[in-house]
Amino acid sequence: ETGVTQSPTHLIKTRGQQVTLRCSSQSGHNTVSWYQQALGQGPQFIFQYYREEENGRGNFPPRFSGLQFPNYSSELNVNALELDDSALYLCASSSYYGYTFGSGTRLTVV
Amino acid sequence: AQKITQTQPGMFVQEKEAVTLDCTYDTSDPSYGLFWYKQPSSGEMIFLIYQGSYDQQNATEGRYSLNFQKARKSANLVISASQLGDSAMYFCAMREANAGGTSYGKLTFGQGTILTVHP
Repeated sequence: ETGVTQSPTHLIKTRGQQVTLRCSSQSGHNTVSWYQQALGQGPQFIFQYYREEENGRGNFPPRFSGLQFPNYSSELNVNALELDDSALYLCASSSYYGYTFGSGTRLTVV
Repeated sequence: AQKITQTQPGMFVQEKEAVTLDCTYDTSDPSYGLFWYKQPSSGEMIFLIYQGSYDQQNATEGRYSLNFQKARKSANLVISASQLGDSAMYFCAMREANAGGTSYGKLTFGQGTILTVHP
């Protein structure tokens, strides 16, 4: 098992720009979910992908989109960045036995 | 809608003492799972312990145990023999029932409790 790897670890973007965050899935896990964690808050569910299709979404606007690839890795794309998008973005791959989180990408929008 | 409540923004404990972190939940699903995670300042979410809604016994994992009171909808984490390295943010989370049995539902997190262990 190689765990879940997220890249990049830190990122600074300007308001209005677009960003792509990446996540590798743990071996054997076919489901990937993304969470946004604002400073001092609990993570909030953005969406989940199972076998390359989105099959659950939280209360996030359409400018948050994603992809899952045949090897179960995933991308989170955010368009038209806003200052409030500044947060830690966590990816988790999951199986019946539980969830494995990556270390996150800390996004700062200025 | 599912909800997790952690009412203790911060807790302090002396090294080697035990501490209980509170978590209450609300759901209408008969099948659910409850998790506790530790999040150090580095950001990664570290799994500590899991309790299924149908589990008859309280879960234990080393120094961690879960005091599961289903009727009260509470799932408190007990850390025994606290260590300095236990200082971190702790989150309680609930997994909703599988969507169509083909994937693993989202996690709903509480607001977290910051635990500080004093020497």
